[in-house]
Amino acid sequence: GQNIDQPTEMTATEGAIVQINCTYQTSGFNGLFWYQQHAGEAPTFLSYNVLDGLEEKGRFSSFLSRSKGYSYLLLKELQMKDSASYLCAVRLISGGNTPLVFGKGTRLSVIA
Amino acid sequence: NAGVTQTPKFQVLKTGQSMTLQCAQDMNHEYMSWYRQDPGMGLRLIHYSVGAGITDQGEVPNGYNVSRSTTEDFPLRLLSAAPSQTSVYFCASSRSVYSNQPQHFGDGTRLSIL
Repeated sequence: GQNIDQPTEMTATEGAIVQINCTYQTSGFNGLFWYQQHAGEAPTFLSYNVLDGLEEKGRFSSFLSRSKGYSYLLLKELQMKDSASYLCAVRLISGGNTPLVFGKGTRLSVIA
Repeated sequence: NAGVTQTPKFQVLKTGQSMTLQCAQDMNHEYMSWYRQDPGMGLRLIHYSVGAGITDQGEVPNGYNVSRSTTEDFPLRLLSAAPSQTSVYFCASSRSVYSNQPQHFGDGTRLSIL
């Protein structure tokens, strides 16, 4: 089966840095996505990693280690608007019946 | 830019009723999918399609049917609604399932089954 683990909840202070981890055990791997989802809204795309290393996009960075089945999302200079759920999703190599598998998400609360 | 459009946004049904959730995209995307999102469960794939005329089951297909007669539309049918199908349903599309193209999500349909 496919297994993607993320912490359920995290709290961080405005202006700080937070790292949200994601570990996965899947039958095949063809990339990992991070999505942001504000309460009551649709998920929106943040980043994509398919090779090992760090991808940086402004205040957001995402890291991947395929050998360890591990990724993290790094958020810098936290703002109140970053309070949201962050979803890790793995794309499988072959379709099977689950081309994209999501973790349960990490709810981040940014406090003043 | 419309993107992915889902209708209705809210719906209340009685147990045993049937209904269709509509999903349309105007980006000429090959890949479309339906997810349900429940508290503590994350997004779970119900059905997906890699192109017109092609559909396949996801993790939780029971009680749902889909069809893909055109590239643009991917309706989800609840055959006989049950309280366990109370959920938020998201439709998503992407250019291809085997690429780095991210999925674009609709705004969701909040469905309650009484």
